[in-house]
Amino acid sequence: DVKVTQSSRYLVKRTGEKVFLECVQDMDHENMFWYRQDPGLGLRLIYFSYDVKMKEKGDIPEGYSVSREKKERFSLILESASTNQTSMYLCASSTPNGAPLHFGNGTRLTVT
Amino acid sequence: GNSVTQMEGPVTLSEEAFLTINCTYTATGYPSLFWYVQYPGEGLQLLLKATKADDKGSNKGFEATYRKETTSFHLEKGSVQVSDSAVYFCALSDNAGNMLTFGGGTRLMVKP
Repeated sequence: DVKVTQSSRYLVKRTGEKVFLECVQDMDHENMFWYRQDPGLGLRLIYFSYDVKMKEKGDIPEGYSVSREKKERFSLILESASTNQTSMYLCASSTPNGAPLHFGNGTRLTVT
Repeated sequence: GNSVTQMEGPVTLSEEAFLTINCTYTATGYPSLFWYVQYPGEGLQLLLKATKADDKGSNKGFEATYRKETTSFHLEKGSVQVSDSAVYFCALSDNAGNMLTFGGGTRLMVKP
């Protein structure tokens, strides 16, 4: 069974802090994604990656960056956290060409 | 661009009632369509999918038919259970099949 593991379930950070959200998948998937989930807005794509060291902006990349140094790990970075980045963050992975996404359990981030 | 519109929730039903959650989409080309489910405290998991017009996806008693003429992919279940209480997301893929666009999600609450 595919496992996508997000390092923290809950995280509380202060405004202005640099925040790292880590995601690891164990099925050698090429594609990895970061979404944020907000009530009434569904899931919005922040960044995605099709391969190691590749990254593409999604729909809402502002205020975020990503790193993919190894195939199994995809990190989301908030350079200077702000209160409007308080949200649930979901990582996902997949093989290419229509394969379903496999999601982690999410990290609920609160920025105070 | 692609978009997905779902009926707003919450949808509250009694056990054994019939369920319909509406989903319509806007897309270029021939996307695949998906329903994902999110149980409390968990990430999303694939419920069912359909890859071409008139295909019917089904799983765990849920069904949805890909209707190109009405650009719809409505989720149905004949008899819901308390354990079906969750948030349901409709989604479509881009033409390459790599990226998903999600609807806003519909919360289903089933009462005994």
